[in-house]
Amino acid sequence: DIQMTQSPSSLSASVGDRVTITCRASQSISNYLNWYQQKPGKAPKLLIYAASSLQSGVPSRFSGSGSGTDFTLTISSLQPEDFATYYCQQSYNTLWTFGQGTKVEIK
Amino acid sequence: EVQLVESGGGLVQPGGSLRLSCAASGFTIRSYWMHWVRQAPGKGLVWVSRISNDGSSTSYADSVKGRFTISRDNAKNTMYLQMNRLRAGDTAVYYCAREGSDWYVDLWGQGTLVTVSS
Repeated sequence: DIQMTQSPSSLSASVGDRVTITCRASQSISNYLNWYQQKPGKAPKLLIYAASSLQSGVPSRFSGSGSGTDFTLTISSLQPEDFATYYCQQSYNTLWTFGQGTKVEIK
Repeated sequence: EVQLVESGGGLVQPGGSLRLSCAASGFTIRSYWMHWVRQAPGKGLVWVSRISNDGSSTSYADSVKGRFTISRDNAKNTMYLQMNRLRAGDTAVYYCAREGSDWYVDLWGQGTLVTVSS
């Protein structure tokens, strides 16, 4: 199976901060990498697909980059509604896998 | 409204069985591959299983292979997850999910809680 490792596992940030979350795959996955946001008690929400494509309706402060094994999710200016847990997910092979999650908390 | 609604969760003893259902509305599932994803309390997301749009192809995570069976009834616009030989480690919220055109989940259900305990 392809292992996905996110870092950091959690971070504290202030409104207006630039936040970067990284995701590393255990083997090359081309650009088959998606990012989701999840708030407590809610289903996840798709933010970015194919490493860098912004899902319709998602604010432009969210962006994704990378290919191969290393990927990043960037929030250019953190907003109050962005405090949540973020997951990367690979769809390169039949057996999908998620990263362990990054919790973004208020500083 | 386009939505997925899971049902069938509950409390079951170790070794028992449960069948989850995922009913779609607002769209027809026959056009989509569908997935189950679970989340243990306080933990991260874990992919469980996937089924092709016509049901001819299925895949499972190693942790559930041989115990869980995914299926679908396109005429009823519903997907299922039959879970047998349940273990405490299967305790989780189970989400059904629709796969979008570029191999991502573009629609999630609200989840149904499965608790395996004596």
